[in-house]
Order: sequence, then C-alpha cells, then structure tokens
Amino acid sequence: AQKITQTQPGMFVQEKEAVTLDCTYDTSDQSYGLFWYKQPSSGEMIFLIYQGSYDEQNATEGRYSLNFQKARKSANLVISASQLGDSAMYFCAMREGREYGNKLVFGAGTILRVKS
Amino acid sequence: DAGVIQSPRHEVTEMGQEVTLRCKPISGHDYLFWYRQTMMRGLELLIYFNNNVPIDDSGMPEDRFSAKMPNASFSTLKIQPSEPRDSAVYFCASSFWKTQYFGPGTRLLVL
Repeated sequence: AQKITQTQPGMFVQEKEAVTLDCTYDTSDQSYGLFWYKQPSSGEMIFLIYQGSYDEQNATEGRYSLNFQKARKSANLVISASQLGDSAMYFCAMREGREYGNKLVFGAGTILRVKS
Repeated sequence: DAGVIQSPRHEVTEMGQEVTLRCKPISGHDYLFWYRQTMMRGLELLIYFNNNVPIDDSGMPEDRFSAKMPNASFSTLKIQPSEPRDSAVYFCASSFWKTQYFGPGTRLLVL
C-alpha cells in the first residue's frame, strides 16, 4: 500500500485565492512526522512546513498551514493568498517512528499552477 | 549559513564511465541522506548516514552504487559503471532535528 497518497496530479488556482493540496498517509506508528516540500521548475526542494503526530495545533508558517486530521490520516496543505511564485510541484512526505533521522517517504506530488 | 552544497550541478557522461557525486551537508547536521528523483519512480531514498556511519542502504539499487562519508562535512555517491537508466536528479539532504534540508541536486545524464 502507498504510504503517502496525493490524489491531485494537478491543480489550478486564481492569484490571491486560497488552495488546498490533499495528502493522506498510512502508518501504524504512533509517532511520526509529516512534511510538505515545494519544488519549483528550477528543481530545488524547499521545506515548507512540518507537523508532528503529537502536535495538538495545526502547523502554520506564513501563508502555509497544514490541516492535520489524525483520525482521517490526512495532512492537507493550505496556501492562502496564492501568488504567481507559488506555481510549482508540491510533495507531501512522512517520517515514521520517533527517530528524527528516519527516512522520508514521499508522495507522487501535485503540480500547482497559479493563474493571473 | 550556507545550505547543503552539491557538485557537480550537471553531469553528462557515457555509459560505462564512473560518476562521482559530492555533497557537503549543513554544518552541525548529523544525518545525511541521498535521494534519487525520476519521473517513473519519484523521489526515493538511496542511503543515509548518522554521524558518518551508514544506517540504511536498502535503497541502493545495485552494487554499482556506493556511498561514503569520510567525515562530517563530506559525502560521495559513486556509480561505477554508469548506465543510461541511472539518469536522474540526485539530491543530498541533511538534518539535525526533525527537518531535512535538501541541496540543489545533481542532474545526471548517462548516454
């Protein structure tokens, strides 16, 4: 079974609007971490936001927030007030287990296009 | 602080040649990861180190691939001999706590 599922291959959003990118995960661990990375066309992987499985509050970083629904095993990324520079590929990833050095497993990604 | 540094950024080589990719992690980070990204397989972990010691190399595809970390500030990923199916973007990432920070990647093309 897929550990990380991103069901939206591509998304469009109008500039200045909010957009939600979906991510569901599968793990039997109680301790895990969820990440979102952005990969623009230039190719680098940029860390956006992190949510720990024991964090009670949803993570926020500027215009990025993570809608964490533990019972549903979902960790959706919400980008508010979209900008043209947000056009990129977005990856959801999970680290299983308590050990911070554990490897990340990535989803297939969602391409986001912001329209002016 | 400088981020993760990788070299070369681009490499074009012919099948059968040896390829060496280099990585300098962020100073103070004790974990180092090598990932490969392809259209077909997405991002996959090849190997990772903790305090210069390889911890998990189960993602290394074949014996043609090897990785070393002789000290805390340097790691190499070597492919010998290279094959066209090794063409991909190879990322190095490092971490100290919860977040892995990625280098810019090496785009490898094997002809």
